Amino acid sequence: KQEVTQIPAALSVPEGENLVLNCSFTDSAIYNLQWFRQDPGKGLTSLLLIQSSQREQTSGRLNASLDKSSGRSTLYIAASQPGDSATYLCAVMDSSYKLIFGSGTRLLVRP
Amino acid sequence: GAGVSQSPSNKVTEKGKDVELRCDPISGHTALYWYRQSLGQGLEFLIYFQGNSAPDKSGLPSDRFSAERTGGSVSTLTIQRTQQEDSAVYLCASSRRVTGAGGYGYTFGSGTRLTVV
Repeated sequence: KQEVTQIPAALSVPEGENLVLNCSFTDSAIYNLQWFRQDPGKGLTSLLLIQSSQREQTSGRLNASLDKSSGRSTLYIAASQPGDSATYLCAVMDSSYKLIFGSGTRLLVRP
Repeated sequence: GAGVSQSPSNKVTEKGKDVELRCDPISGHTALYWYRQSLGQGLEFLIYFQGNSAPDKSGLPSDRFSAERTGGSVSTLTIQRTQQEDSAVYLCASSRRVTGAGGYGYTFGSGTRLTVV
C-alpha cells in the first residue's frame, strides 16, 4: 500500500530564507508526483507536476525534484515571502490512477 | 467553465438527513475524483470516475455514501442518514484522461464544507 510522508510537519522561517520541504513515498510504481498549496479554508492549488520519467520541474521561485528509485521528492522555495505561508501537500499518482496525499507541511514565513 | 465548480460551498445539516454535493468539472476533463478532508487530517480518496468505465469506489467509507456522474460531466456525491463523523470538507477534482504512462495533473474545486449537527 502506497504511503506518503512529509517532513517537517511544520516550519517557521524568517522572510528571505531559502527552504526545502521533503516528501517520501513507499512504492516507486508511480505515474507522477504533484505538489499542491492549500490556504486556510480553501481548496488546493497545483504548484508543480513531475512525470515519473522526469527529474525536476521549476516554476518561478519553486523547484521540485523527483528521485523515483529512492522514493523521494523535495520542494525548494527560494527567497521565501510571507505570502508563501500555507500548507504544502505532496501527492503521488499510484498505479490505479489515484492521488495519494501526504499530511502536509505547514509553512509560516515571518515578515 | 475555467475551473472546477462545487456547490454548495457550505452545508449544515441535521444528523440523519440526506445531503447531495455537486461537482462541475472542467470541460473536456474525463476523469473526476472525490476526496474528503476532515479537520486536521489529510486528504482521503473516496471515488474516481474515468469516462464511461465503472467507477473506482474503493475509498467510500460506508454504504451510506454513493456518487454518480451523469453524461460524463457533472457529478453528485450523496450521503444518506448523515452522521457527525461525516463532517468534513468534500473536495472534487478533475483531470484529463489518465490512462497510460505519465498521467495528468489534477485541478481541485474549492470544496463543500459539510457540518452535521
